[in-house]
Amino acid sequence: DAKTTQPTSMDCAEGRAANLPCNHSTISGNEYVYWYRQIHSQGPQYIIHGLKNNETNEMASLIITEDRKSSTLILPHATLRDTAVYYCIAYGGATNKLIFGTGTLLAVQP
Amino acid sequence: ETGVTQTPRHLVMGMTNKKSLKCEQHLGHNAMYWYKQSAKKPLELMFVYNFKEQTENNSVPSRFSPECPNSSHLFLHLHTLQPEDSALYLCASSQDWARGNQPQHFGDGTRLSIL
Repeated sequence: DAKTTQPTSMDCAEGRAANLPCNHSTISGNEYVYWYRQIHSQGPQYIIHGLKNNETNEMASLIITEDRKSSTLILPHATLRDTAVYYCIAYGGATNKLIFGTGTLLAVQP
Repeated sequence: ETGVTQTPRHLVMGMTNKKSLKCEQHLGHNAMYWYKQSAKKPLELMFVYNFKEQTENNSVPSRFSPECPNSSHLFLHLHTLQPEDSALYLCASSQDWARGNQPQHFGDGTRLSIL
């Protein structure tokens, strides 16, 4: 399984774009890049996923580099409610296990 | 609202009690999962059911017993638990376990405390 590396924490000003990086240099060809977030005392919330192409939905955009070794999750206009731990996960390989690491704690500041 | 509902939200039990956690999904999914999240630790996968058949048991102690009567319901039966079993227990579902491009959707968990 590909392991991902994320910064431990980040700050973002309310109303600004939050750009969360993730490295997954050992990702295999059939593994997708998934992003989840977990707000304190709640279950993880699915945000977005992609294989090769950039993806956008109502919550966020996902930018994947051409070599697929890294990606960036973009929250276009961060609000206080976006404060959470964000997990980047490579999923869909041979074992099909969603393996959560320690993630990035994003703190949105007023 | 994720479409995955877990009850109860909080549970306190003694080590000799028997209790059950319940999970119900309204998403039409065929795979369901139990995860454990201990304080300051990453989520750990416990069990996977795909089309009502157990496909994964991640070396979970026998004091945890899962049951999947149909694709919409999942239970975790608990007996003679230990204090280290205190954790947040999360249920998730997805369209099909075997398809990596299908996201899992989580409930809000049951916070379990063992006295």
